Amino acid sequence: GNSVTQMEGPVTLSEEAFLTINCTYTATGYPSLFWYVQYPGEGLQLLLKATKADDKGSNKGFEATYRKETTSFHLEKGSVQVSDSAVYFCALSANLNQGGKLIFGQGTELSVKP
Amino acid sequence: ETGVTQSPTHLIKTRGQQVTLRCSSQSGHNTVSWYQQALGQGPQFIFQYYREEENGRGNFPPRFSGLQFPNYSSELNVNALELDDSALYLCASSTGLGGRGSYEQYFGPGTRLTVT
Repeated sequence: GNSVTQMEGPVTLSEEAFLTINCTYTATGYPSLFWYVQYPGEGLQLLLKATKADDKGSNKGFEATYRKETTSFHLEKGSVQVSDSAVYFCALSANLNQGGKLIFGQGTELSVKP
Repeated sequence: ETGVTQSPTHLIKTRGQQVTLRCSSQSGHNTVSWYQQALGQGPQFIFQYYREEENGRGNFPPRFSGLQFPNYSSELNVNALELDDSALYLCASSTGLGGRGSYEQYFGPGTRLTVT
């Protein structure tokens, strides 16, 4: 079946450090890929998405590229801020007959220290 | 534009009781999906409603049921509560395409259910 695997957290970085959170997936067909962010006590916010191979999603300085050959969608940011501290979820949505349901990874907690 | 809202924010129930959680979808959206997020885990898909009909279900027992109303708001009902039902329940709305999936989902803040 379809699944998403993320690197385990927590990840602790100093402000302005480079961030990479690894995400790999298993899916039949051609899924859409997403990164969601969850701040403490809140629901999920869509951070970025990519709907086909080689697409790059980007938002608020975060980027991720849909790599079909390596079944990966790693999240990167060149310079993190304290305000980026949150839990990040990688997710996929399989097309056709799936109702658009999202399958999430287990989440990676990011803590950025000043 | 009003986003996705959920009620109540928090709820404490006793094992064996029943609970109803509510969700108002974002304006213009016709699809509502429900997810269960246990502590420290990613959300798990419960089911989805498209134009008042169930349109996909995850691996949850029948005591998890739902409704969607003509205004596209939705309810999640859980009967015979178990301790393991303690979780954050998230509702997400989107513009659906029926069996062909949907556009991106927008999440509400969730309802924190505690079963004692």
